[in-house]
Amino acid sequence: SSELTQDPAVSVALGQTGRITCQGDSLRRHYASWYQQKPGQAPILVIYGQNNRPSGIPDRFSGSSSGNTASLTITGAQAEDEADYYCNSRDIGGYHLVFGGGTKVTVL
Amino acid sequence: QLQLQESGPGLVKPSETLSLTCTVSGGSISSSSYYWGWIRQPPGKGLEWIGSFYYSGTTYYNPSLKNRVTVSVDTSMKRFSLKLTSVTAADTAVYYCARHLYYYDSGGYYSSPVDFWGQGTLVTVSS
Repeated sequence: SSELTQDPAVSVALGQTGRITCQGDSLRRHYASWYQQKPGQAPILVIYGQNNRPSGIPDRFSGSSSGNTASLTITGAQAEDEADYYCNSRDIGGYHLVFGGGTKVTVL
Repeated sequence: QLQLQESGPGLVKPSETLSLTCTVSGGSISSSSYYWGWIRQPPGKGLEWIGSFYYSGTTYYNPSLKNRVTVSVDTSMKRFSLKLTSVTAADTAVYYCARHLYYYDSGGYYSSPVDFWGQGTLVTVSS
């Protein structure tokens, strides 16, 4: 079982704001990183650290953290944002990577 | 631009050993601060970290796979490998090689992003 918990599915209306959450004890000392994965493709990193976006990631993606919960927010969702999103961090001990179970985002 | 490319058999028989290689181009495995490892994804399911090594040589494995996994680096420092023994159908997955970081973020927490991924290779375990 995953040490990071995500909701299986989230829907967001086109142009509106959607939020995905990731919960786990390790998030009290580790930032979550967030990945977007479209069918048949490798995941790509969209948010890491406190709230950093790799080059090429639109600024409608943002991250935040509070207690044991990390959030990925899509502000002004676009059709191309429809994908699976995964969070990850280290485990509590800090030696192993862990992933959340993934959230399927549907843009209506 | 860093690129990672997985290679190896796409079909492995049950109880045998799965062996994959990741070729790294556009960068060096011996660069400090980076981890290099393997992540897999069974069809229709989520991501699972398998194991990694640090540039200094230390290896780390998923506790659930530890007894069956070996991650090693080629002396050329341009390739690294995965060996998974005694495979079953449950090991059928897309296998990704990847690079990840581990650093103390200015925000006050640690961060461990996987910033580069290979395209992935499907390995099917079947007789």
